[in-house]
Amino acid sequence: DGGITQSPKYLFRKEGQNVTLSCEQNLNHDAMYWYRQDPGQGLRLIYYSQIVNDFQKGDIAEGYSVSREKKESFPLTVTSAQKNPTAFYLCASTLSGDTFFGPGTRLLVL
Amino acid sequence: QKEVEQNSGPLSVPEGAIASLNCTYSDRGSQSFFWYRQYSGKSPELIMSIYSNGDKEDGRFTAQLNKASQYVSLLIRDSQPSDSATYLCAVYSSASKIIFGSGTRLSIRP
Repeated sequence: DGGITQSPKYLFRKEGQNVTLSCEQNLNHDAMYWYRQDPGQGLRLIYYSQIVNDFQKGDIAEGYSVSREKKESFPLTVTSAQKNPTAFYLCASTLSGDTFFGPGTRLLVL
Repeated sequence: QKEVEQNSGPLSVPEGAIASLNCTYSDRGSQSFFWYRQYSGKSPELIMSIYSNGDKEDGRFTAQLNKASQYVSLLIRDSQPSDSATYLCAVYSSASKIIFGSGTRLSIRP
């Protein structure tokens, strides 16, 4: 059953804590993306990766970090430097333009 | 100027009528264009992609592209209450990243 999985569905972060959001795909897609969506807003690009071991900053990369050690995986770390992390985080992958999304992770600050 | 612009709405259309959603983009080098539907609290789902000037039809949906005017539109015929959602326009830019508009909220009234 092909698709994109994200975990956890909900994540709670304490002040000063780093947290990591998981994104895995078994679609054999080369490119993967992380977006942030705030309530009533569109999607803003955090990081993207076209190939393994390479990634680029998007429009709002400050306070976030990523890695792309495997084609199937593109984890996102929300660091303590991100002062307003509460949002809906969406991972996506694409092969030839058509882009598909995972179910998302909601990050909340305690 | 935003890279991808959409009217935020809400756009209210009677059931059975045609809903028309519009999008403009700034990067003339963009080659691929997409429409996504997003229900509240869910991740976006791809409903149409278009790559060349003209119209592309898929069931009740028609995407229209005019690269000279940097304009993309989506028509939904015979609108149903289940079409009520936020519609996101996305563009695959010349920088090899996918940029989203802020979305148009569509409401189909019975």
